[in-house]
Amino acid sequence: QLQLQESGPGLVKPSETLSLTCTVSGGSISSSSYYWGWIRQPPGKGLEWIGSIYYSGSTYYNPSLKSRVTISVDTSKNQFSLKLSSVTAADTAVYYCAPQAIAGSFDIWGQGTMVTVSS
Amino acid sequence: QSVLTQPPSVSGAPGQRVTISCTGSSSNIGAGYDVHWYQQLPGTAPKLLIYGNSNRPSGVPDRFSGSKSGTSASLAISGLQAEDEADYYCQSYDSSLSVYVFGTGTKVTVL
Repeated sequence: QLQLQESGPGLVKPSETLSLTCTVSGGSISSSSYYWGWIRQPPGKGLEWIGSIYYSGSTYYNPSLKSRVTISVDTSKNQFSLKLSSVTAADTAVYYCAPQAIAGSFDIWGQGTMVTVSS
Repeated sequence: QSVLTQPPSVSGAPGQRVTISCTGSSSNIGAGYDVHWYQQLPGTAPKLLIYGNSNRPSGVPDRFSGSKSGTSASLAISGLQAEDEADYYCQSYDSSLSVYVFGTGTKVTVL
């Protein structure tokens, strides 16, 4: 049974870079069955897809965030990571990682990690 | 704004049937992209409820069912239970925006 755990700083200063890691257990990140995605949810609001990566390193991003987002994968550690640069208060959210099936569904979600952007 | 529109709230008494609509357009649901549904209980991460328009993952009760027609999709909950109180989101892909999109979300209240 796949399990995912997000980790990273809970507080980031404006204009700095948000960095999060998702550790996958119970399965291999090199599985051909999944992409690996990041989704976020601002407090009291809906869900927003940030981007996804395949184990080979192929990425695709939400165009609205593309200029600030980098997603990478480390197959040796069974992890993938998110970097979001030049953050503002609007980037304050719970960040989730999830495996994304080929048909597009996010099948299993991590518990999420709250990131606050504030000085 | 999301390109997938859901009613902000629906409610029903225990045992009743409620439906949640997800209205899209010709560049997402109407283009043939699959619709998926998620349940988010208060204070928890979303959970996949329906994938590929109408398929239930293992462990999801058959009280939950999904359908798709034209540019819209629906989630039905029959035999409503108190534990079904949650936020529900639809999700698909939009080819015009090149983005995976989530619906606006619907809060289900059990009266």
